[in-house]
Amino acid sequence: EPEVTQTPSHQVTQMGQEVILRCVPISNHLYFYWYRQILGQKVEFLVSFYNNEISEKSEIFDDQFSVERPDGSNFTLKIRSTKLEDSAMYFCASSEADTSVGYTFGSGTRLTVV
Amino acid sequence: KQEVTQIPAALSVPEGENLVLNCSFTDSAIYNLQWFRQDPGKGLTSLLLIQSSQREQTSGRLNASLDKSSGRSTLYIAASQPGDSATYLCAEGTSGTYKYIFGTGTRLKVLA
Repeated sequence: EPEVTQTPSHQVTQMGQEVILRCVPISNHLYFYWYRQILGQKVEFLVSFYNNEISEKSEIFDDQFSVERPDGSNFTLKIRSTKLEDSAMYFCASSEADTSVGYTFGSGTRLTVV
Repeated sequence: KQEVTQIPAALSVPEGENLVLNCSFTDSAIYNLQWFRQDPGKGLTSLLLIQSSQREQTSGRLNASLDKSSGRSTLYIAASQPGDSATYLCAEGTSGTYKYIFGTGTRLKVLA
């Protein structure tokens, strides 16, 4: 069964450093998403991406965040200057169409900012 | 503001019991509802997707229902097994957006 692959599975970074989280969506999917889950809290929407541009973003997705599809297969989330409160599990997801057909999520990257 | 609520927050049952997990949502413009399973420290596995035009979906021992008028969905698990122990999340997709709004989850423990 096709999978969404995320790397690394765990990343530790110092406060103020830039991090890039990587995702390989399912190959025929057209919509891509990032969500995050702070420990013990809800899964929260960050951003959706379609046709090489952001289609929707949440209040959380401020200027320190950016997304990119640098080639035909990868989808990345960059956090420019990490803060302690950015520590969370970050999930990538993809779908063939919009939410009408549901998502497939990756297994997540646990980001720890120290 | 869209809100998705799940009750109970935690549930512990003996193996073999049938059980129901509840999900309530406030947005009447629901497009579909997706149920996920999350194992500790792991990703989200999609279990069932119900479109707003459907009343229920079944997969194996799982059955999910959707009642738009009351803003509720239930996930029924038949003959529970220890391997069903996980957190179950519901997520609402609404018309005109690309995102899902997640509930807080129900942490299920099935005792052998």
